[in-house]
Amino acid sequence: DVKVTQSSRYLVKRTGEKVFLECVQDMDHENMFWYRQDPGLGLRLIYFSYDVKMKEKGDIPEGYSVSREKKERFSLILESASTNQTSMYLCASSHPSTGELFFGEGSRLTVL
Amino acid sequence: AQSVAQPEDQVNVAEGNPLTVKCTYSVSGNPYLFWYVQYPNRGLQFLLKYITGDNLVKGSYGFEAEFNKSQTSFHLKKPSALVSDSALYFCAVRDLRTNAGKSTFGDGTTLTVKP
Repeated sequence: DVKVTQSSRYLVKRTGEKVFLECVQDMDHENMFWYRQDPGLGLRLIYFSYDVKMKEKGDIPEGYSVSREKKERFSLILESASTNQTSMYLCASSHPSTGELFFGEGSRLTVL
Repeated sequence: AQSVAQPEDQVNVAEGNPLTVKCTYSVSGNPYLFWYVQYPNRGLQFLLKYITGDNLVKGSYGFEAEFNKSQTSFHLKKPSALVSDSALYFCAVRDLRTNAGKSTFGDGTTLTVKP
């Protein structure tokens, strides 16, 4: 069974802390994505990566960075967490030809 | 630029009745279209997709969707709703022109099926 695994389901951090969200996929997909989900705003793309060490900004990259050192792993980094980054974060990888997305279970981050 | 609109925030139906969740899209070329479902505190799950061919596509859990190019729509349908279909539904369109094929999502529609 195909799988995308996000390391933490729930996190609580303080303002100014550095936060790492980890995502691993076992499908050998080249494309991986980080989305943010907020009520009434749908899913917004933060960053995506189409190969190891390659990354592109999505629609809302400000305040975030990413790392893709290995094909199976795509990390989202909040350099200095702020309260407006409290949200649900979803990682996904995509089928190489159709673009169908496979999602992890999500990481719900609360910044106090 | 590509975009997706889901005009209804909420759809309520009675169990056993047919359901429709609406989606319209805008892309420059030919679209790849998707429906995903999200249950509370879970990630999104793929339901069905339109790539090419027959305008009526069938997916998981008895859902189907009809691609209408002239109306730029891709409405999700099910002939007989179940209480367990209650969830948040997202329509998405894929940009074929980029290498990564990133998808743009609608804001989501909450489906509530009442017994």
